[in-house]
Amino acid sequence: AQSVTQPDIHITVSEGASLELRCNYSYGATPYLFWYVQSPGQGLQLLLKYFSGDTLVQGIKGFEAEFKRSQSSFNLRKPSVHWSDAAEYFCAVVRDTGRRALTFGSGTRLQVQP
Amino acid sequence: EAGVVQSPRYKIIEKKQPVAFWCNPISGHNTLYWYLQNLGQGPELLIRYENEEAVDDSQLPKDRFSAERLKGVDSTLKIQPAELGDSAVYLCASSLGQAFSYEQYFGPGTRLTVT
Repeated sequence: AQSVTQPDIHITVSEGASLELRCNYSYGATPYLFWYVQSPGQGLQLLLKYFSGDTLVQGIKGFEAEFKRSQSSFNLRKPSVHWSDAAEYFCAVVRDTGRRALTFGSGTRLQVQP
Repeated sequence: EAGVVQSPRYKIIEKKQPVAFWCNPISGHNTLYWYLQNLGQGPELLIRYENEEAVDDSQLPKDRFSAERLKGVDSTLKIQPAELGDSAVYLCASSLGQAFSYEQYFGPGTRLTVT
């Protein structure tokens, strides 16, 4: 069963507009949650993570994400998108802390229009 | 601080040929991971090392894939023989390996094309 769902395969926004990328997980307990970004030809870079505590987490590059237990969601947001934000974004969870393995969603490709 | 280094960055081989990928993790990172990323998909774990021990290789197709991490630092992932379906990006990642430290740092990957 899919543990992490990113419903949007592809999103296009205008530069300066706000952004929200969706991520839903299916897991009984609260997993550890992550957002990674992958630029063309680059490795994945960690944007932010949630383990516990404050449900609104701040990350690098002006990104933030909010954990909503009732909706099993961990959506990524940015108030004003820059052209350099165009990339592939992956939501990931650690379901089994013993395995330490990240389970990734299938990704959302972000295009930024000038 | 240097990041995770992988080589080669690109490899094109014919099916049934062997191929090897090399990874040098971030200095001091005891945990090393190999992931497979198919086109349009998120990465999937192949194997995880804690120091030199492979502690999770349940997703590694052992009939043709093998990996090693000698001396608990560098690692090599091998495919022999390669099949057309092995065309993908192979990512290496590392982490400190401490309890509750799940932050993984990824290399740029090796893009394999099997013809």
